[in-house]
Amino acid sequence: KAGVTQTPRYLIKTRGQQVTLSCSPISGHRSVSWYQQTPGQGLQFLFEYFSETQRNKGNFPGRFSGRQFSNSRSEMNVSTLELGDSALYLCASSQNPVTGELFFGEGSRLTVL
Amino acid sequence: QKEVEQNSGPLSVPEGAIASLNCTYSDRGSQSFFWYRQYSGKSPELIMFIYSNGDKEDGRFTAQLNKASQYVSLLIRDSQPSDSATYLCAVRGRAGGTSYGKLTFGQGTILTVHP
Repeated sequence: KAGVTQTPRYLIKTRGQQVTLSCSPISGHRSVSWYQQTPGQGLQFLFEYFSETQRNKGNFPGRFSGRQFSNSRSEMNVSTLELGDSALYLCASSQNPVTGELFFGEGSRLTVL
Repeated sequence: QKEVEQNSGPLSVPEGAIASLNCTYSDRGSQSFFWYRQYSGKSPELIMFIYSNGDKEDGRFTAQLNKASQYVSLLIRDSQPSDSATYLCAVRGRAGGTSYGKLTFGQGTILTVHP
């Protein structure tokens, strides 16, 4: 069974640009969550999608957005990039979004110059 | 007070020893608890999950949960150099909308197992 797939794995952007990251969950998993990981803040929850609906959102500015498609694939977008957005962005999928475990993809490492 | 706190570490143990990793959480209504291992430059990998008070064993790993003390731990027996990694404790809050897809992570404990 294939794991969570994220693309691209690495990307470099400049301040003010926008970026779109993609995630394909484990087959059969309908819940997709996104996390940001930085050395200073650790792993922080961005948002969760289930059946194309955002059901939970972390404390991030509106520049961070996402969506989910009917095949459960998800994208997240960060607009007007800031230097502080440099991080590893992790997607995770779950079979049971209320109590179950999360399985993470390899992540997309974003560097903002 | 942080929602999930872990020993700051780093923790260094000799090969073959027992490594003990600890975690406390602040939300008494938390319902499920997870341990992830993260190698440098890699993504978190699920090791164990535990929902009920007591011990849960899986191979060399034992997770222990004490909800009254709001404490969860991970024991690694017969530690190997390949166990050297950052161990992340994660907690899912009480049931409801705010727990959908959300785990709250501790800052992680760096474990080094030396030969």
